[in-house]
Amino acid sequence: NAGVTQTPKFRILKIGQSMTLQCTQDMNHNYMYWYRQDPGMGLKLIYYSVGAGITDKGEVPNGYNVSRSTTEDFPLRLELAAPSQTSVYFCASRQQGAEEKLFFGSGTQLSVL
Amino acid sequence: GENVEQHPSTLSVQEGDSAVIKCTYSDSASNYFPWYKQELGKRPQLIIDIRSNVGEKKDQRIAVTLNKTAKHFSLHITETQPEDSAVYFCAARESSASKIIFGSGTRLSIRP
Repeated sequence: NAGVTQTPKFRILKIGQSMTLQCTQDMNHNYMYWYRQDPGMGLKLIYYSVGAGITDKGEVPNGYNVSRSTTEDFPLRLELAAPSQTSVYFCASRQQGAEEKLFFGSGTQLSVL
Repeated sequence: GENVEQHPSTLSVQEGDSAVIKCTYSDSASNYFPWYKQELGKRPQLIIDIRSNVGEKKDQRIAVTLNKTAKHFSLHITETQPEDSAVYFCAARESSASKIIFGSGTRLSIRP
């Protein structure tokens, strides 16, 4: 199993550009999450999903959109990138039930200049 | 919604000494409290967790305690070693929701 795979690993955007951060998992997990981690800071929840077709906002959803058309994929869309969106983005997934461990991807380091 | 506060933000201890990191949560409905460790440049990884029906849980040198009445929980690391140097995050999950909210993190440094 590859686990949770994020692409790209690094990206530089200009202000106003758009991009999609890809996240896919091969563990058949129902729950998927997007977090952002600013330098020296904690993990802030952007959006999450409890299954295909179902998404909900987290703590900091403004400026982002998500979709969940399949169990495996949970892309994060940035529209009109702003310098405040410079961060490391982590995708994570977990199984429904007693095992609640979050499996994180390796992260995407995004700079908006 | 849930809010998790974590203290201290940085902690430096002598190798072999103990380290304690504390977190408070706001939502009394939360019932699951994990701790994650993030080494420099790496992804966070679960090191221990506790549910609200348990007051304490241990795993070798690591322990977590939970006080539901006061809505706080703590991570205890004994006999610290250089490889314990990392950022540690606490988190909380509401019983009726799927959101997992993290604290702001504690950077732990072990002095030789």
